[in-house]
Amino acid sequence: DVKVTQSSRYLVKRTGEKVFLECVQDMDHENMFWYRQDPGLGLRLIYFSYDVKMKEKGDIPEGYSVSREKKERFSLILESASTNQTSMYLCASSLSGRDRTDGYTFGSGTRLTVV
Amino acid sequence: AQSVSQHNHHVILSEAASLELGCNYSYGGTVNLFWYVQYPGQHLQLLLKYFSGDPLVKGIKGFEAEFIKSKFSFNLRKPSVQWSDTAEYFCAVTSNTGFQKLVFGTGTRLLVSP
Repeated sequence: DVKVTQSSRYLVKRTGEKVFLECVQDMDHENMFWYRQDPGLGLRLIYFSYDVKMKEKGDIPEGYSVSREKKERFSLILESASTNQTSMYLCASSLSGRDRTDGYTFGSGTRLTVV
Repeated sequence: AQSVSQHNHHVILSEAASLELGCNYSYGGTVNLFWYVQYPGQHLQLLLKYFSGDPLVKGIKGFEAEFIKSKFSFNLRKPSVQWSDTAEYFCAVTSNTGFQKLVFGTGTRLLVSP
């Protein structure tokens, strides 16, 4: 089975800190995604990447950046954490051609609290 | 922009009751449709998916969904729910950009009482 591993399950950070959320997948997937999940809002796409060093903005990229230096690793960066970035962050990956998708495999999530 | 609507935000059922969760999407072209489930404290898991062919799709744990193109709908059903079906359910559809962005609905929380 494909595994998507998020390095931290829970994080507490202070306002203004730079925060790194790491995600690693072990099945050579081209596509990787970062979502945040908030009650009543579902999952909203922050950024995604379809290849090494490639990145695309999702629906809510403001306040975030990403890095994909290696195929298996996709990092989400909060440049200056704010309280409204308190959320559950989900990483996902997928292996398909551009015009089809077989769905995503999700990590267990990182619950980030910014105080 | 593509969107997905799940009109039921919270559903409470007794065990053995039948379940139907609504999902409507906005895109008029070719779509791929998914239902994901998130059990308490666990990660999102794929329940079932539709790409093409038979519009009635069967998934894991006795769930099924019917794609009705004329109604832009992909409702999830289960004839008889169990307490272990208590979870949050998300409908999702591929975006129309050609890449594999999935657009998710806001989710439906299902509580099954024993």
